[in-house]
Formats: sequence, structure tokens, C-alpha cells
Amino acid sequence: EVQLVESGGGLVQPGGSLRLSCAASGFTVSSNYMSWVRQAPGKGLEWVSTIYAGVRTYYADSVTGRFTISGDNSKNTLYLQMNSLRADDTAAYYCARDALAAAGTVYFEYWGLGTLVTVSS
Amino acid sequence: QSVLTQPPSLSGAPGQRVTISCTGSSSNIGAGYDVHWYQQFPGTAPKLLIFGNTNRPSGVPDRFSGSKSGTSASLAITGLQAEDEADYYCQSYDSTLSVVFGGGTKLTVL
Repeated sequence: EVQLVESGGGLVQPGGSLRLSCAASGFTVSSNYMSWVRQAPGKGLEWVSTIYAGVRTYYADSVTGRFTISGDNSKNTLYLQMNSLRADDTAAYYCARDALAAAGTVYFEYWGLGTLVTVSS
Repeated sequence: QSVLTQPPSLSGAPGQRVTISCTGSSSNIGAGYDVHWYQQFPGTAPKLLIFGNTNRPSGVPDRFSGSKSGTSASLAITGLQAEDEADYYCQSYDSTLSVVFGGGTKLTVL
């Protein structure tokens, strides 16, 4: 059974850093496309970042240069290192196991429960 | 302002058929990229409802169906039930922006 459990969220000051973790079970993180999707309070879904095989990474323009996605094969865990955090990064962050659609694009097949990040002074 | 446009809200009576639209452009849906749909209940994570325009994951009732034409896609729900009251999001790929979502539609069952 596929399970994804996020952790690491919390309250952080503007300009600060946070690292989110997503512990996976039932499959191997490094063999799949994995993503982070976020949802600001009362707002819609926003794609943040995707990684494949621990090498190929993709980022939304809003987080490029500030966030880094990575994986740890030994722990079967996905991470999102978030630096230079801003108030508009406040959101629930979900990790997802992706599936491939046509033309090499992805959709989000399995989701974790999410972890809340609040950026405020 | 989302790249994919959905009606913010929609309502229907039990048993009715409702359709949620997702309108894009020539750089996303119109470019041939697949459309996927998610269902989200308050306080919970989204759940995949339709993938690849028309396909249902195992366990999703056949009351839910998806379609795509030109620069738009639609999610249809037939035999509306109280338990279908949720937020619904479409998702695709944009050749300039990568993965994109619609703004979401809040479905109310009257």
C-alpha cells in the first residue's frame, strides 16, 4: 500500500528556512517522479517542484532559487529545503507520487496528508 | 489568476447532473496536454478523480466522467449525491509554465 507522510512544517519568520520531509512506503521514491504541491489557506492548489531519479528537478517560477527538492534513497524519503521564506509561502504542503501522462507530463496519483508551513513574524 | 479557468462555485440537487468546466488555451489544453481532475474535501488532501482526460482510477464511481475538446475540458457528475459536495480542481501542463491547476470549483449539493 502506498503511503506518504509529511513532516517538518511549522512557524518560521520571513527570511528563514525550513526543511520538509515526506516518508514514503509501499514503493521506492528514487524510481518514481515525486512532487510537492502547496495550498495557501482558502486558496487553490499550486505545483511547487518535481524530481525524478534524484537528478532531474523542476521548479515553479515562484520558488526557483529558494527551494530545493531532493531524495534520500536509504530512508526512502523526499525532502523540500525552503530558504528565504516569504509570507506568501504560507500554505499546506503536500507531497505526491506522480504518474506519467502523455508527452512526458505528470499527474498526482497519491497524496500525503500535508504539513502546514506558516511564515510570519 | 489561474492559467486554467474554472467556475468558482456550482450547485445541484441530488440526482441531477452537473458539469464543471476547465478552460485553457493553446499553450496547455489546446496544445494536446492531458487534463486530470482532483476531488478535495475540507481539511483533507486532494484525491485523484480522473486522469488522462477520461480515465477513472480504481474505486472512483462511474458517476464521474471526464472529457476534453479543443482548449477546454469538463468533469461531469451524474446522479449527484450529498457526498459529492467538495472542491474540484483540474490540472494540466502548460508549455511555458509547466504543471498548472485550475482555480477550483466548490460544488454544493442542495
